[in-house]
Amino acid sequence: DAGITQSPRHKVTETGTPVTLRCHQTENHRYMYWYRQDPGHGLRLIHYSYGVKDTDKGEVSDGYSVSRSKTEDFLLTLESATSSQTSVYFCATRRDNQPQHFGDGTRLSIL
Amino acid sequence: SQELEQSPQSLIVQEGKNLTINCTSSKTLYGLYWYKQKYGEGLIFLMMLQKGGEEKSHEKITAKLDEKKQQSSLHITASQPSHAGIYLCGAASGGSNYKLTFGKGTLLTVNP
Repeated sequence: DAGITQSPRHKVTETGTPVTLRCHQTENHRYMYWYRQDPGHGLRLIHYSYGVKDTDKGEVSDGYSVSRSKTEDFLLTLESATSSQTSVYFCATRRDNQPQHFGDGTRLSIL
Repeated sequence: SQELEQSPQSLIVQEGKNLTINCTSSKTLYGLYWYKQKYGEGLIFLMMLQKGGEEKSHEKITAKLDEKKQQSSLHITASQPSHAGIYLCGAASGGSNYKLTFGKGTLLTVNP
């Protein structure tokens, strides 16, 4: 257990509303990641962070933004949610030269 | 961009049988990670392989890395219902081991 907490665990919202997902870690890991998992597409990287205020885009970053103001928190924001962003979102963390460890996921439904 | 193809996509075996899952990369493998996921849960790290020819085992699960074939295999001996789940391989992207590309997963069902 890498001490990763994702919140909320489940969320249902409407198209066009803003949504923020939070990932909190207690292990002081340098790297943090946001993925989405969809049937037929597998796990895809949205954004990642390599330090406080240091972030970069992943494979499917359009429509998402992130922020990391503290080592322990990595926020994923959907500025105006669309139905195509219905998915299960996973946060992961990692320290140098070690494998990534994952949270339990957030199931997001956009109606 | 790197792509990982897992085979088979799904597998049903009888308890006690051996099985193998393969992960083939479209590009050179710099590091290969195996994870297991149970339905509705997060990914659990199994093993990390970093050198060609490397082989690691944990309980009844063995993973190997064939650098020349750009392939890794995961072998489960004497499968048990507890082995059921989705197995995913992940590979370091572009030589940078802090970003991973994942395969789409192999769904394993073990019938008692």
